[in-house]
Amino acid sequence: GAGVSQSPSNKVTEKGKDVELRCDPISGHTALYWYRQSLGQGLEFLIYFQGNSAPDKSGLPSDRFSAERTGGSVSTLTIQRTQQEDSAVYLCASSLMNRESYTFGSGTRLTVV
Amino acid sequence: KQEVTQIPAALSVPEGENLVLNCSFTDSAIYNLQWFRQDPGKGLTSLLLIQSSQREQTSGRLNASLDKSSGRSTLYIAASQPGDSATYLCAVRPDGSGNTGKLIFGQGTTLQVKP
Repeated sequence: GAGVSQSPSNKVTEKGKDVELRCDPISGHTALYWYRQSLGQGLEFLIYFQGNSAPDKSGLPSDRFSAERTGGSVSTLTIQRTQQEDSAVYLCASSLMNRESYTFGSGTRLTVV
Repeated sequence: KQEVTQIPAALSVPEGENLVLNCSFTDSAIYNLQWFRQDPGKGLTSLLLIQSSQREQTSGRLNASLDKSSGRSTLYIAASQPGDSATYLCAVRPDGSGNTGKLIFGQGTTLQVKP
């Protein structure tokens, strides 16, 4: 596609439920990043994929968070047993290899009630 | 641990004014520094990227400088316009073993340019 696509754009979920957030990167971009932007906080790095492998998962805040990437393309970020502090905008970015030119998606706004 | 700070958190100026946004970082071991723009409900748009060996970059009315040794960068916006209203984010890419391309962001400066 022309840009990085994220779905859903908005998600409201009840505390304790699991959610899946999807990122569809630019075709051919091998590097994919997930970030989280909480109210009053800067963007926090979550995880980096190169192809289907994740050499850097250092930003995942707890074992409730996991992510996978298949076919070197679409990535899914899963949050299990959601908590209110998980409420944030989750942004995905992709780039060719891990070069400097990143393209960000518009994000998924997650609200846990 | 690398930390990025942006001052001020918010700024309101009349149209036509020149302005400076500030960014500081605690670890000078950076690969590069980028300035992004974020509009409400949108993703980030890259404005300028400065490699660690460079001192400044310019694009149109925007000029970004980098002083790596002192851990500072500034974004200068000339002749501001209402369309410049947005949140401006500074981000550094760490160098060394942490260089996976991940970025460390500041919390941003929200700019309002009044007509």
